[in-house]
Amino acid sequence: DAMVIQNPRYQVTQFGKPVTLSCSQTLNHNVMYWYQQKSSQAPKLLFHYYDKDFNNEADTPDNFQSRRPNTSFCFLDIRSPGLGDAAMYLCATSRDRGSSYEQYFGPGTRLTVT
Amino acid sequence: GQNIDQPTEMTATEGAIVQINCTYQTSGFNGLFWYQQHAGEAPTFLSYNVLDGLEEKGRFSSFLSRSKGYSYLLLKELQMKDSASYLCAVQDSNYQLIWGAGTKLIIKP
Repeated sequence: DAMVIQNPRYQVTQFGKPVTLSCSQTLNHNVMYWYQQKSSQAPKLLFHYYDKDFNNEADTPDNFQSRRPNTSFCFLDIRSPGLGDAAMYLCATSRDRGSSYEQYFGPGTRLTVT
Repeated sequence: GQNIDQPTEMTATEGAIVQINCTYQTSGFNGLFWYQQHAGEAPTFLSYNVLDGLEEKGRFSSFLSRSKGYSYLLLKELQMKDSASYLCAVQDSNYQLIWGAGTKLIIKP
């Protein structure tokens, strides 16, 4: 089945220790998104890639970086995680931007910062 | 600013009908999505409305009124597995999704 895969599902890191979360997709979608979601809150868009074009949200902290080496893979790097970065990180894809293109989500990576 | 409002929590009885409302104020409108999210899991797509009116899909229906900035999700014949959060998201003029915080639906036997 075509899908969005995130690894790991659970990640524990220490305060200030860099961490990388990964996402892969077999849907061959053009657009990939990274969201941060805290308990009982709306997903917050961090970045998205439209093909190779990187789009950073204005309020995404510099501590968060992203890479998309090819169509299938996308990475989220947190350079110096703080306690406030503990959250669920969701990767999503869509065939294209705009109109009725729904987003397909991976299962998420729950990040704990100790 | 851009804003999506949904009730925080609702409770309903198995077999009944429930309506979850969503009101929005966004810069432009290019469609409204409803997603279902079970606890600890990723959101899954339920419906998309871009024109006024009702879209029916099995037990779930979604309604949109663009002039009122209003949508609702109607769930019929509720089942215990429908216990989840339901998120409303509006696509603005830049095709960015503006998300609501979600409505937690609790189904009681």
